[in-house]
Amino acid sequence: SQQGEEDPQALSIQEGENATMNCSYKTSINNLQWYRQNSGRGLVHLILIRSNEREKHSGRLRVTLDTSKKSSSLLITASRAADTASYFCATSYSSASKIIFGSGTRLSIRP
Amino acid sequence: NAGVTQTPKFRVLKTGQSMTLLCAQDMNHEYMYWYRQDPGMGLRLIHYSVGEGTTAKGEVPDGYNVSRLKKQNFLLGLESAAPSQTSVYFCASSLWGNTEAFFGQGTRLTVV
Repeated sequence: SQQGEEDPQALSIQEGENATMNCSYKTSINNLQWYRQNSGRGLVHLILIRSNEREKHSGRLRVTLDTSKKSSSLLITASRAADTASYFCATSYSSASKIIFGSGTRLSIRP
Repeated sequence: NAGVTQTPKFRVLKTGQSMTLLCAQDMNHEYMYWYRQDPGMGLRLIHYSVGEGTTAKGEVPDGYNVSRLKKQNFLLGLESAAPSQTSVYFCASSLWGNTEAFFGQGTRLTVV
């Protein structure tokens, strides 16, 4: 299976702190994506990193990809209450393949 | 531009009943997906489609059938509902298999 596994399963931090979530996967990938899900809602795409990229930024988000370790990390800097959500990594191993999601990290931001 | 729309949003079924969930997208995407999400868990892929007239099995296809007769619509059917199919169902679409996926708001299904 190419499913990603997120670590930790749950994370609680103080507002203003940085949050780091990790994703490990099993097979070689074409790209890796991160999504956010607010409680009871659909998933929203955050960022996509291709297999030939090592780091990507988008606003307060920083994603790294280490294909040798088959792992990725999502860093959210200067966290805000609105960042409270579940975060999922998703992998696809070719341009013609399906998208498979991991089990997610539940992030809680304490005021 | 509505994006991805799922119908219905909520449904309660009795064991053994059948129903169809409808997903519609207006972005001319080739790929469409049906996922289920159980409490505290990630999304598991049920079935997906890589284009009009095609369907393929995902991780948990048993008990479900799908059809993609029109490019913009992807239907998920439960022929004989079971309590184990109580879940939140999400439809998604993407331009290709390795591009950003857009999600519907979900269908909360309870089988009693």
